[in-house]
Amino acid sequence: GESVGLHLPTLSVQEGDNSIINCAYSNSASDYFIWYKQESGKGPQFIIDIRSNMDKRQGQRVTVLLNKTVKHLSLQIAATQPGDSAVYFCAERGSGNTGKLIFGQGTTLQVKP
Amino acid sequence: EAQVTQNPRYLITVTGKKLTVTCSQNMNHEYMSWYRQDPGLGLRQIYYSMNVEVTDKGDVPEGYKVSRKEKRNFPLILESPSPNQTSLYFCASSALFSTEAFFGQGTRLTVV
Repeated sequence: GESVGLHLPTLSVQEGDNSIINCAYSNSASDYFIWYKQESGKGPQFIIDIRSNMDKRQGQRVTVLLNKTVKHLSLQIAATQPGDSAVYFCAERGSGNTGKLIFGQGTTLQVKP
Repeated sequence: EAQVTQNPRYLITVTGKKLTVTCSQNMNHEYMSWYRQDPGLGLRQIYYSMNVEVTDKGDVPEGYKVSRKEKRNFPLILESPSPNQTSLYFCASSALFSTEAFFGQGTRLTVV
C-alpha cells in the first residue's frame, strides 16, 4: 500500500544553520509531494509542494528536492530560525482521483539558540 | 480571515456517549476531510467529502460518521465512542484536488 515515512523523528540544529529534513515515499504514482509544518498546539500548515515531474522547487528560505530514482524527498530550510521549530510532515497526493493526502509520521525540528 | 473552525477544542467523555465535533470553513472549499493524529502514526484520514452530499471513507473510518449537508460544514460524529478513539482530531478543507489544505486548530478527545 501507500506509505510515506521520515528518516529521523527528531532533528536538532543551531540557529542560523541550514536544516535538511528527509522523507521516503513508496507510491511512484503520486503526482504531487508536499511539506507541512505543525507548530505546537496548532494544525498543520502548508509550506511548499513539488510536482512529480520536477526535481527541485524553491520558496522563501525553503527548497524541496525530489529524487524519484530512490523515492526520496527532502526539505531544506536556509538560515534556520527559532520560529522554524515545529514538526514537519511530508505528504503525497495519492493515486486515484480523490485528492487524498497521505502523511508521513513527522520530524520534530528543534532550533538551538 | 480565511479559517477552519473546529469545536470543541477539548473534550472528555465516557464510553458510549454520542458526541459530535463540528467543523466549519469560510473559504467556499469543495473538499473537506477529517484526520486523527496519534503519536508515531502521523495523520490518518477518517472521512472525506468532495462536495455537498458526497462523502467517502478514508483509511480509518470505523466508529465514525460524517455528513455534508452544507458546503461550509462537515461534522464528525462518534455514535458510541470507545477509549481507542482517544486522539487529536483535525478537520481540513481545500479547493478540489489542491495540495494546500487548511487545517483547524484541532480537537483533543479523551474517551474514558
